[in-house]
Amino acid sequence: GDSVTQMEGPVTLSEEAFLTINCTYTATGYPSLFWYVQYPGEGLQLLLKATKADDKGSNKGFEATYRKETTSFHLEKGSVQVSDSAVYFCALSGYQAGTALIFGKGTTLSVSS
Amino acid sequence: KAGVTQTPRYLIKTRGQQVTLSCSPISGHRSVSWYQQTPGQGLQFLFEYFSETQRNKGNFPGRFSGRQFSNSRSEMNVSTLELGDSALYLCASSLGVGQGGGPVDEQFFGPGTRLTVL
Repeated sequence: GDSVTQMEGPVTLSEEAFLTINCTYTATGYPSLFWYVQYPGEGLQLLLKATKADDKGSNKGFEATYRKETTSFHLEKGSVQVSDSAVYFCALSGYQAGTALIFGKGTTLSVSS
Repeated sequence: KAGVTQTPRYLIKTRGQQVTLSCSPISGHRSVSWYQQTPGQGLQFLFEYFSETQRNKGNFPGRFSGRQFSNSRSEMNVSTLELGDSALYLCASSLGVGQGGGPVDEQFFGPGTRLTVL
């Protein structure tokens, strides 16, 4: 079935460092891909999305490109801030799961000043 | 525009009891989905309701049930609680444009209900 694999955390970075969180997926057809962020004690917030191959989603300095050939949707940010500390989830929505989002396990990011 | 609200935010129950959680979607949204979040299993889809009908269901036992009212508010119920049901239960709402079998539109999540089963 459809699945999402993302890198294990935690990821610990200093402020202004470059961030990459890897995400790969397995799905039939052309799923939509998402990155969600969860701050402590809160629900999930959509960070960015891409609905077709080669689309680049971007928001708040974060970017991710939908790569069909490598079935990947890696999250990147050029310069992280302490306020970016959170748990990041890669997710997909595909034909097999219908209206359900399939999530990766989540990656905890901790940024120190 | 008000976001998705969930009540209560915290619940403590004992094994064997039942519990009802409530979710109020964003105004105008007709689809409500429920997810369970645990440290071990991560985020797992429970079910989705659209226009008062269950449109999609995850792989959970029948102890987990839900319903949706005509105003799109939704409730989920867990009967005969087990220790393993301790989790954060998240509700998400969307316009519901994406039909079963295709990519969905954006889902907006509530803050969740933290259920602890003792």
